[in-house]
Amino acid sequence: QKEVEQNSGPLSVPEGAIASLNCTYSDRGSQSFFWYRQYSGKSPELIMSIYSNGDKEDGRFTAQLNKASQYVSLLIRDSQPSDSATYLCAGTRAGNNRKLIWGLGTSLAVNP
Amino acid sequence: EAGVTQFPSHSVIEKGQTVTLRCDPISGHDNLYWYRRVMGKEIKFLLHFVKESKQDESGMPNNRFLAERTGGTYSTLKVQPAELEDSGVYFCASSQGGPGNGYTFGSGTRLTVV
Repeated sequence: QKEVEQNSGPLSVPEGAIASLNCTYSDRGSQSFFWYRQYSGKSPELIMSIYSNGDKEDGRFTAQLNKASQYVSLLIRDSQPSDSATYLCAGTRAGNNRKLIWGLGTSLAVNP
Repeated sequence: EAGVTQFPSHSVIEKGQTVTLRCDPISGHDNLYWYRRVMGKEIKFLLHFVKESKQDESGMPNNRFLAERTGGTYSTLKVQPAELEDSGVYFCASSQGGPGNGYTFGSGTRLTVV
């Protein structure tokens, strides 16, 4: 079982729609979770971090964490073609908050 | 503020040769990380420096990989001798604290071993 699992996609949504990206993790002791966006040929860039159960909103992005279900999600409202990228979910292991454990990433395509 | 700089951006070497990758972190960032992504696989942690000290090198694949961070500034990652399975993109990241404080990634070095 992978430590962090994501559906590789591709996920295709029309412009203006809500894109929903999901991630599950196996280490029940994991405390911190991150969503990164990676454009083709570029480096990952941090979009959101979340540490507590519930929702965290930043502009068009909302991260959701459910520790009981070991589930993290990212919602992108009013999706734009410029949001087309690979979205990587990452978490830290219990007892080590310095290194990230990554999912494979979900490819998102926003169609004009 | 200059970002994290990595070079070379690409390297193609033959099996058995040696390659050295370099990473210049953001000035003042004590934490420096190396990660690697092999095609079709997840990004994997290699090691973590705090200043010049190796804090965690649990992800280093084997003793063909040697990382150093001279004087707590730039870091090098040497692969000697390179094998075909070492091919991938090597990312360096730096931060002043943990990942929640904002990792900044370099643009990566794409290593191809033929």
